[in-house]
Amino acid sequence: EVQLVESGGGLVKPGGSLRLSCTASGFNFNVYPMNWVRQAPGKGLEWVSSMSDSGSYIYYADSVKGRFTISRDNAKNSLYLQMNSLRAEDTALYFCARDITPGAVAGIYDAFDLWGLGTMVTVSS
Amino acid sequence: DIQMTQSPSTLSASVGDRVTITCRASQSVGSQLAWYQQKPGEAPKLLIYTATYLDRGVPSRFSGSGSGTDFTLTIYSLQPDDFATYYCQQYNTYWTFGQGTKVEIK
Repeated sequence: EVQLVESGGGLVKPGGSLRLSCTASGFNFNVYPMNWVRQAPGKGLEWVSSMSDSGSYIYYADSVKGRFTISRDNAKNSLYLQMNSLRAEDTALYFCARDITPGAVAGIYDAFDLWGLGTMVTVSS
Repeated sequence: DIQMTQSPSTLSASVGDRVTITCRASQSVGSQLAWYQQKPGEAPKLLIYTATYLDRGVPSRFSGSGSGTDFTLTIYSLQPDDFATYYCQQYNTYWTFGQGTKVEIK
């Protein structure tokens, strides 16, 4: 079955760190750019970070730049998000999502056609 | 940064109605516009990409139009399964989502 499964969420204190994982199955993970998108409770969707298939291109939203680091291990079909210096406003459901088109070209962006169910991150003292 | 503004924020409709949601970009995004459907407790689902193309398995009652800064999602003959929140997303320059439009039962 083609799917994405996120894990690693939890409750963390402000200033703390957390590492999210996304495990892919059922498709050729290493040719697809991958993304993280978050949704605060009762709010809309916010793009967080993206990484090309080979890892050559990495993008971050201004709200997380310098605090979050995206990475991937194609041998393990996995995408990661290292989150440091967490703030209350980072509280959200974090989704992993796949680009609709395999391959990546610098400066070319794409829609997201496959999403996981998300993992919840709560930042609170 | 490109801002995306959807209208209305909430829409009340009945089964069988034609429903139209609009999305406006703060600058041209060409045709790099997608629409997603999200139901409570579920992940977003891609409906339309490149402004007008239906994703695999999406019913033909969904239709997208527009280019540049103004886009429309139309649902012809609303079905019970269509009551959900809809988001537009530009992917011309990075990615930005609209704030969402909730389609409620009238």
